[in-house]
Amino acid sequence: QKEVEQNSGPLSVPEGAIASLNCTYSDRVSQSFFWYRQYSGKSPELIMSIYSNGDKEDGRFTAQLNKASQYVSLLIRDSQPSDSATYLCAVKGAGRRALTFGSGTRLQVQP
Amino acid sequence: GAGVSQSPRYKVAKRGQDVALRCDPISGHVSLFWYQQALGQGPEFLTYFQNEAQLDKSGLPSDRFFAERPEGSVSTLKIQRTQQEDSAVYLCASEYQETQYFGPGTRLLVL
Repeated sequence: QKEVEQNSGPLSVPEGAIASLNCTYSDRVSQSFFWYRQYSGKSPELIMSIYSNGDKEDGRFTAQLNKASQYVSLLIRDSQPSDSATYLCAVKGAGRRALTFGSGTRLQVQP
Repeated sequence: GAGVSQSPRYKVAKRGQDVALRCDPISGHVSLFWYQQALGQGPEFLTYFQNEAQLDKSGLPSDRFFAERPEGSVSTLKIQRTQQEDSAVYLCASEYQETQYFGPGTRLLVL
């Protein structure tokens, strides 16, 4: 079992719809959670970070964390074609400085 | 301000050659990380520096991989006797307040 699991996709949504990206992690003591966006051939770019249970909103993006279920998600409202990219979930465990990444979910927003 | 920079951006090496990859972190960032990203996968941790001290090298895949950061700023990742399985994108990240900022990466192709 991988430490951080994501559906590889592609997840295809129409423009204007809500895209829902999901991630599960195996290390129960993980403390910090991040969503990165990676365009093809580019480096990862931080979208959201979340540290406590519940929702965190930033513009069109909402991160949701449920530590009991070991689950973190990213919602993208009013999806735009420019949101088409791979979304990487990353987790930082207790006492660790390095990020553990999932394999990423490829999102396609259809105009 | 300037972000993380890496050089070279692309490197083609013949199997058995030694290569050196450079990372210039964001000025003032104490923590520096190296990751390896294979095609279609998320980045995987290689090693971590705090200033000039290499505090975690648990991700280095073999003793052919060596990293240094002698003055606590620029870091070099060296791969000796390259193998085809070393072909990947090597990402450097520097960290500030729990957030890791990635450089553009070096794409290494070993023939």
